[in-house]
Amino acid sequence: NAGVTQTPKFQVLKTGQSMTLQCAQDMNHEYMSWYRQDPGMGLRLIHYSVGAGITDQGEVPNGYNVSRSTTEDFPLRLLSAAPSQTSVYFCASSRTALESPLHFGNGTRLTVT
Amino acid sequence: AQSVTQLDSHVSVSEGTPVLLRCNYSSSYSPSLFWYVQHPNKGLQLLLKYTSAATLVKGINGFEAEFKKSETSFHLTKPSAHMSDAAEYFCVVSDRRDDKIIFGKGTRLHILP
Repeated sequence: NAGVTQTPKFQVLKTGQSMTLQCAQDMNHEYMSWYRQDPGMGLRLIHYSVGAGITDQGEVPNGYNVSRSTTEDFPLRLLSAAPSQTSVYFCASSRTALESPLHFGNGTRLTVT
Repeated sequence: AQSVTQLDSHVSVSEGTPVLLRCNYSSSYSPSLFWYVQHPNKGLQLLLKYTSAATLVKGINGFEAEFKKSETSFHLTKPSAHMSDAAEYFCVVSDRRDDKIIFGKGTRLHILP
């Protein structure tokens, strides 16, 4: 079982560049989410989705876009990268938001110079 | 909006002594509460969850937590710390209102030999 697959593992961008972080899950989970992890800040919710075609903003959505065209995929787009977006990004999925545990990808370490 | 406050950013205990990691939550609706652990350079693992059943919840590796509605707390405990417990611990809340799963800022647990 692959679980939650995130690509790439590492990425370096220049300020102003755009890119997409990929996330796919094979567990037929309805709920998917993106977090960023920064030292001392825990994991902060960027965007989330409760099913295909439905997305919503989390705690820190500015500078990021998402879409959910299929149950399996939930890509995160950085429109114009800024140094403040240097972070480790985690994709997660679960059956439901309320009672099911989150399954995490292995993370993407992004550096913006 | 729901939120969690982890009252200590760092906790140090000696091996073999009890562990107490404190978490207070805020939620307007019946919350679900979770504790996750992240070992250095590793992914996140679910320790335990509370979803409105028994208020004392037992998890993996000897950890447990008690849901106290009157105190809005969900503290994590373990009777006897082991060196392998050294990690960062996150308290997490979700509720029925908006499907957001919110993490606390984390508590780093240090185990002294």
